[in-house]
Amino acid sequence: QKEVEQNSGPLSVPEGAIASLNCTYSDRGSQSFFWYRQYSGKSPELIMSIYSNGDKEDGRFTAQLNKASQYVSLLIRDSQPSDSATYLCAVYTGRRALTFGSGTRLQVQP
Amino acid sequence: DGGITQSPKYLFRKEGQNVTLSCEQNLNHDAMYWYRQDPGQGLRLIYYSQIVNDFQKGDIAEGYSVSREKKESFPLTVTSAQKNPTAFYLCASSMTRIRNTGELFFGEGSRLTVL
Repeated sequence: QKEVEQNSGPLSVPEGAIASLNCTYSDRGSQSFFWYRQYSGKSPELIMSIYSNGDKEDGRFTAQLNKASQYVSLLIRDSQPSDSATYLCAVYTGRRALTFGSGTRLQVQP
Repeated sequence: DGGITQSPKYLFRKEGQNVTLSCEQNLNHDAMYWYRQDPGQGLRLIYYSQIVNDFQKGDIAEGYSVSREKKESFPLTVTSAQKNPTAFYLCASSMTRIRNTGELFFGEGSRLTVL
């Protein structure tokens, strides 16, 4: 079982819709959870971090964490073509460094 | 501006050659990391260093070597022992208390191709 799992996609949504990206993790001791956005050929950039159960909103982005289910998600409201990218879920267990999922490719159709 | 500088951006290597990828940061971060990314995959940890003159193996350290002689610099050598070195290499840094900052700062990456 991979430590951090994501559906590779592509996830295709129309412009203006809500995109929902999901991630599960295996280590119940995980402490911190992050979403990075990566455009093709570029390096990842942090868009959201979440540390406790519940929702965290930042502009059009909402991160949701459910530690009991070992599940973290990212919602993107009013999706724009510029949101088309690969979204990487990353988890910190308190050891070493962030562990990344394989990423979900999002396509926003104009 | 503060940031992480990786060089070269593109590198071609013949089989059997060692190559060194440079990573320099002026963010005054304590920790530095090297990740490898293959097409359609996430980032896999090669090596990391929490302090100067100390570094630890990640998940895929075989065929790679690093040094951390200065806080600002964390070069990665891809040796001829690395069987499949063609990949996108990402260097990152963070403050030591990564849980609090919540962010890895990434360089722009180095794309290595073995001919």
